[in-house]
Amino acid sequence: SQTIHQWPATLVQPVGSPLSLECTVEGTSNPNLYWYRQAAGRGLQLLFYSVGIGQISSEVPQNLSASRPQDRQFILSSKKLLLSDSGFYLCAWGTGAYEQYFGPGTRLTVT
Amino acid sequence: AQSVTQLDSQVPVFEEAPVELRCNYSSSVSVYLFWYVQYPNQGLQLLLKYLSGSTLVESINGFEAEFNKSQTSFHLRKPSVHISDTAEYFCAVTESPPYSGAGSYQLTFGKGTKLSVIP
Repeated sequence: SQTIHQWPATLVQPVGSPLSLECTVEGTSNPNLYWYRQAAGRGLQLLFYSVGIGQISSEVPQNLSASRPQDRQFILSSKKLLLSDSGFYLCAWGTGAYEQYFGPGTRLTVT
Repeated sequence: AQSVTQLDSQVPVFEEAPVELRCNYSSSVSVYLFWYVQYPNQGLQLLLKYLSGSTLVESINGFEAEFNKSQTSFHLRKPSVHISDTAEYFCAVTESPPYSGAGSYQLTFGKGTKLSVIP
């Protein structure tokens, strides 16, 4: 069966510090991978998605970036965090136009 | 492009009462529809999905949703709720094949409905 992992589970970072969130998927090959951010009262915002290694599409201009160095690994990064980057970050995987499966999430607080 | 409207941001309901969470979508192409549930500080879990076939779909924990193409709706219902159903529920839509172009791998989510079950 497929499993998706995210770490860390929680993170408190000062403004201006770098960020690296990692997501890995087990039990499937060549999945589509997604990063979402969930801020209070704002629903889910798609940040990035990837249909293959090295292929990243950005949905929202911001100071975040994503990379996919391996087939089942998706990394969300920032060089300098802003207060507005606080939120709940969710990674998901899917196969084409069907449902997506979500990881447990990372709670990021920027202070 | 698709859009999803969840008409109620919060729905309080007493335990063992019925509930309906409303979802309407907008799309110029055929769609697949989904309901997800999110418990506090957890990821989203797929509750049920409509891809094709019967317009009434059911989950293993008593929820059901009916796809109504003419009204572009996919409302979620449960005849008798439990305390454990307290969570946030998200409706989502994606384009179904054949695809019109780029972005066909994306889900478009509604803003969510918080269901609070009152003892």
